[in-house]
Amino acid sequence: DQQVKQNSPSLSVQEGRISILNCDYTNSMFDYFLWYKKYPAEGPTFLISISSIKDKNEDGRFTVFLNKSAKHLSLHIVPSQPGDSAVYFCAAITTGANNLFFGTGTRLTVIP
Amino acid sequence: EAQVTQNPRYLITVTGKKLTVTCSQNMNHEYMSWYRQDPGLGLRQIYYSMNVEVTDKGDVPEGYKVSRKEKRNFPLILESPSPNQTSLYFCASSLYSGRETQYFGPGTRLLVL
Repeated sequence: DQQVKQNSPSLSVQEGRISILNCDYTNSMFDYFLWYKKYPAEGPTFLISISSIKDKNEDGRFTVFLNKSAKHLSLHIVPSQPGDSAVYFCAAITTGANNLFFGTGTRLTVIP
Repeated sequence: EAQVTQNPRYLITVTGKKLTVTCSQNMNHEYMSWYRQDPGLGLRQIYYSMNVEVTDKGDVPEGYKVSRKEKRNFPLILESPSPNQTSLYFCASSLYSGRETQYFGPGTRLLVL
């Protein structure tokens, strides 16, 4: 049973606009969340993370928001650039555990 | 250059023929992990290792074995591959745990006929 879900398999956005990628989880014990980005023919690379003690974390154009009561997190990319076109995975982990649960991924296409 | 390497990158095999996919990292990381990526299922963790001789099951360990005899190497072993193990496999490492930034290898695409 998928504990981390990304319900939008794909998203297209115009260059310069905001991209919002969503992620839902079912396990209330998850307390740390990460986003990874993946280009074709490459391994995923780390993008940004957030602890459950925060509701927002920002790094340049990337901001992750966490809504614990809704078990929902989102990644905002502003402004979106063509180089952001990739598959984005969210992931979650619980305290004291070391197995990571990934979502199904969202393919973002930024149109020039 | 800090990296995670996997070999082979592509592999076609037949059902039941044992195979090993190697993974090596040069960053002195203690944590290493194997994932498989499948359409519609995303990335799923197979096994992970916290240090030499310490391994544990991930989400989908059935049909796989691992070993961690040296810190830098973490091979994935399929003793009797089956077609449902056709997938894209990634090895990753991080300094101490799954909570930290993981560095992924380039992937191994496996086809089991």
